[in-house]
Amino acid sequence: QVELVESGGGVVQPGRSLRLSCAASGFTFGRSGMHWVRQAPGKGLEWVAIIWFDGSKTYYADSVEGRFTISRDNFKNTLYLQLNSLGAEDTAIYYCARDFRTGWIDYWGQGALVTVSS
Amino acid sequence: EIVLTQSPATLPLSPGERATLSCRASQSVSSSLVWYQQKPGQAPRLLIYGVSNRATGIPARFSGSGSGTDFTLTISSLEPEDFAVYYCQQGVSWPATFGQGTKVEIK
Repeated sequence: QVELVESGGGVVQPGRSLRLSCAASGFTFGRSGMHWVRQAPGKGLEWVAIIWFDGSKTYYADSVEGRFTISRDNFKNTLYLQLNSLGAEDTAIYYCARDFRTGWIDYWGQGALVTVSS
Repeated sequence: EIVLTQSPATLPLSPGERATLSCRASQSVSSSLVWYQQKPGQAPRLLIYGVSNRATGIPARFSGSGSGTDFTLTISSLEPEDFAVYYCQQGVSWPATFGQGTKVEIK
């Protein structure tokens, strides 16, 4: 079965960086686009980024454009999100998710909590 | 950016009642509209894709309809496990966007 396991979350100071990873299994990772979606505490879902199955295209939310970078390693079946210049507004659970028919999501990980605090 | 507006924000209902949730887009999303369900402490789950197609394992009491800018998720008869937050999402253009959610709560 499809499994997505995020790691790398934690507490980070404002202005610092963090890299999240998502280990994928149970499907052919190199054939699927992948998303990151986040959810601030007590708030709704916010789409963050998508990367094409082969890494050839990426798109970002305006709120993270220029600060976050989505990437992937199809040999390691792993998705990444590099988070730079973090602010309090980036505090959230970050979900790794599998793309379904470009733009939709059919499987989600359990999430990694990122807390930006001094 | 396409803005999705969900209404109502909160929907108090009793088990067995019918739930009707609305999602309105600021511009046409064609048929690129999906619905997710999220329960406390859990990741979201895909319910409906392409406006009206139920995802694998989703009960028939869930149905979706609409086109263009106005969409509806209907739960024909609420079961206790259906009390949750529901989100719509569009994937027709980037950035993808979610609605702010509708919480279906027990009255």
